Amino acid sequence: AIQMTQSPSSLSASVGDRVTITCRASQGIRNDLAWYQQKPGKAPKLLIYAASSLQSGVPARFSGSGSGTEFTLTISALQPEDFGTYYCLQDYNYPRTFGQGTRVEFK
Amino acid sequence: ELQLVESGGGLVQPGGSLRLSCTASGFTFSSFWMTWVRQAPGKGLEWVANIKRDGSETHYVDSVKGRFTISRDNAKNSLFLHVNSLRAEDTAVYYCARDTTPWADGFPYDAFDIWGQGTMVTVSS
Repeated sequence: AIQMTQSPSSLSASVGDRVTITCRASQGIRNDLAWYQQKPGKAPKLLIYAASSLQSGVPARFSGSGSGTEFTLTISALQPEDFGTYYCLQDYNYPRTFGQGTRVEFK
Repeated sequence: ELQLVESGGGLVQPGGSLRLSCTASGFTFSSFWMTWVRQAPGKGLEWVANIKRDGSETHYVDSVKGRFTISRDNAKNSLFLHVNSLRAEDTAVYYCARDTTPWADGFPYDAFDIWGQGTMVTVSS
């Protein structure tokens, strides 16, 4: 199975900060990657698919980039509602695999 | 309203079985691949299985192969996960999700845009 490794595992940032989360795949996965946000006790929410396509209704401050083995999720200006845990998910092959998650907290 | 509602979770002894259900409303269920994702307490997300629109194709994570079976009844807008030979490590919240399978540059992608609220499975003696 393809291993997905996210960094950092957690981060603290202030409102308005630019935040970048990295996801690395153990082998090339083209751009077959999605990003999800999860808040405590809630189901995940789709943010980005195909590495860089913004899901309808998701604020434009979220963006994704990358291909092959390295991908990034960027929040251009962190907002209070952006706290939570972010996961990448590869859909290049089966089984699909998630990264271990990146927890975003506020300073 | 687009909605998925899971049910069927509970407390079960090791080696036991359950049938998890996910009922869809507000969209044409038979037009979408469907997926199960689980999350152990305090842990990250784990993709479990998915099933094609007509049920003709299924895929599983290795740790559940031979023990879990995903199925669907399009006439009843329902998705199922039959979980057998349960182990302590299967303890988790189980979510169903709709895959819109968007196409870009000639390729299909996974995009789980609607999720249920989750159903808890606890495996313990």
